[in-house]
Amino acid sequence: QKEVEQNSGPLSVPEGAIASLNCTYSDRGSQSFFWYRQYSGKSPELIMSIYSNGDKEDGRFTAQLNKASQYVSLLIRDSQPSDSATYLCAVLRGSGTYKYIFGTGTRLKVLA
Amino acid sequence: EAEVAQSPRYKITEKSQAVAFWCDPISGHATLYWYRQILGQGPELLVQFQDESVVDDSQLPKDRFSAERLKGVDSTLKIQPAELGDSAMYLCASSPHAGLEQYFGPGTRLTVT
Repeated sequence: QKEVEQNSGPLSVPEGAIASLNCTYSDRGSQSFFWYRQYSGKSPELIMSIYSNGDKEDGRFTAQLNKASQYVSLLIRDSQPSDSATYLCAVLRGSGTYKYIFGTGTRLKVLA
Repeated sequence: EAEVAQSPRYKITEKSQAVAFWCDPISGHATLYWYRQILGQGPELLVQFQDESVVDDSQLPKDRFSAERLKGVDSTLKIQPAELGDSAMYLCASSPHAGLEQYFGPGTRLTVT
């Protein structure tokens, strides 16, 4: 079992719809959670961080964290073709050094 | 806006040659990370520095890879000798200190022929 799991996709949604991206993790002691967007051939760009259970909103993005169920999700409202990218979930391990574990990413395609 | 700088952006080298990558983190960021990302996968940590000290290099292939951050600012990652399997994107990231958000540089795309 991978430490951080994401569905590789592609996830296709029509323009204007809500895109829902999910991530599960295995280390119950994980403290911090991050979502990155990565366009093809580019480096990851930080979208959001979330540290406590519940929802965190930033513009069209909402991150949701449920530590009891060990999952974190990212919702993108009013999806645009420019949102088409790979979305990486990163989890900060709960023990030892501050090591970030990345999922393999979910590829999102927003159809115009 | 402060950014992580990396060079070169692209590098093509023949196997068995030496190659080096440079990273300059965001000013004031104490923690620096080197990652390798293979196409279709997430970044994998190679080495983590806190100031000039190595905190984690458990995934660094030490027979051919080395990394340093002598003055606790910029850093160099070296591969000698390069192998075909080293072809990947090499990413540098920095964070104000460990445990906070990390910010990535543009990366170096390495192709070993």
